Amino acid sequence: DTGVSQDPRHKITKRGQNVTFRCDPISEHNRLYWYRQTLGQGPEFLTYFQNEAQLEKSRLLSDRFSAERPKGSFSTLEIQRTEQGDSAMYLCASSLQGLFEQYFGPGTRLTVT
Amino acid sequence: DAKTTQPTSMDCAEGRAANLPCNHSTISGNEYVYWYRQIHSQGPQYIIHGLKNNETNEMASLIITEDRKSSTLILPHATLRDTAVYYCIVRITGSARQLTFGSGTQLTVLP
Repeated sequence: DTGVSQDPRHKITKRGQNVTFRCDPISEHNRLYWYRQTLGQGPEFLTYFQNEAQLEKSRLLSDRFSAERPKGSFSTLEIQRTEQGDSAMYLCASSLQGLFEQYFGPGTRLTVT
Repeated sequence: DAKTTQPTSMDCAEGRAANLPCNHSTISGNEYVYWYRQIHSQGPQYIIHGLKNNETNEMASLIITEDRKSSTLILPHATLRDTAVYYCIVRITGSARQLTFGSGTQLTVLP
């Protein structure tokens, strides 16, 4: 399978704990995006990488959130001191520079209890 | 990016054509119309895009009005697996910027 993969698919955590999600983009894609989606809403942009550089961050990305893409390949999204409001689907997408089409992974569903 | 307006929900009988409208009256000359869909509990999936000419691929057809202020996504023979939320997005192609999703149209294909 050469699509975007995300791990884990589901995560249940207690409020206050830290969680980390991983995204593996399509191998030749140099752009990688993180989105968050809550129930009944469309995905909302969180942050974007071109290669290893994080070029844009949404105001939704509070200081408890951090994302990395250390070698320009896979990316991680960490949420520290989780809150119940962080419960959502976290989606990763990748694309080739110069093209619009973004290819999405299956998402990681986070539940904070 | 231009704002889009879509109906909240639509039903379609299995085997019939599903026509999903989108209004984008403020679209500018260098903005494309893109369609994505999201099947329940999956990530969004790219369907098709176009600038001003009608486009067709193996999944769907895209009809854009001559003034480009609206478009219609056509699924020619809808199946139950086409039940999903369909998002119409307008933006400049090749841009690195993120996709801006609205609420989309929930299409339900009925047996």
